[in-house]
Amino acid sequence: GEDVEQSLFLSVREGDSSVINCTYTDSSSTYLYWYKQEPGAGLQLLTYIFSNMDMKQDQRLTVLLNKKDKHLSLRIADTQTGDSAIYFCAERNQAGTALIFGKGTTLSVSS
Amino acid sequence: GAGVSQTPSNKVTEKGKYVELRCDPISGHTALYWYRQSLGQGPEFLIYFQGTGAADDSGLPNDRFFAVRPEGSVSTLKIQRTERGDSAVYLCASSPVGLVLETQYFGPGTRLLVL
Repeated sequence: GEDVEQSLFLSVREGDSSVINCTYTDSSSTYLYWYKQEPGAGLQLLTYIFSNMDMKQDQRLTVLLNKKDKHLSLRIADTQTGDSAIYFCAERNQAGTALIFGKGTTLSVSS
Repeated sequence: GAGVSQTPSNKVTEKGKYVELRCDPISGHTALYWYRQSLGQGPEFLIYFQGTGAADDSGLPNDRFFAVRPEGSVSTLKIQRTERGDSAVYLCASSPVGLVLETQYFGPGTRLLVL
């Protein structure tokens, strides 16, 4: 079945780059997603990447996709304290009807 | 415009009781999703509605869980004979028509605590 794995914690200093990693199992996934969850707030879609792409850049965010290794990463440049949150990697289920989420990576940014 | 809203924001109940959780999707969105997020976990899919019908209910954990969307807009998730293990944040999301590419817009969730 589908499964998504992430490292649980990442701690960085303000101004550094953050890299959050994710592995997934379904090689047929067409889209892969990164969501952000802040305390008391709903899940917010940050970015997504189509499976035929290797990289996608959106302002401070860079998504890298290695289909061979089923590895996805999210790089946040110039990390700010406001980036502190839980980041979820997600893929579509095989039926295409729902998202399969990882357990989330808690990013802590210190000043 | 208004986003996805969920009520109540918090619900405390006793083991064995019945609860209803409500979701108001973004106006005009035909696709609606329910997820459950336990502490320290990512959201887990429960059920997907396309209009009034449940197109995929494979994530419902057992027959104590049921959801309806009678008019294709508001949805209610119903949990019978609640158990302590049902304690979680229940998230609702909607998207325009349910295409794979579409963004799912999430509500703030209902935090359910079963004592």
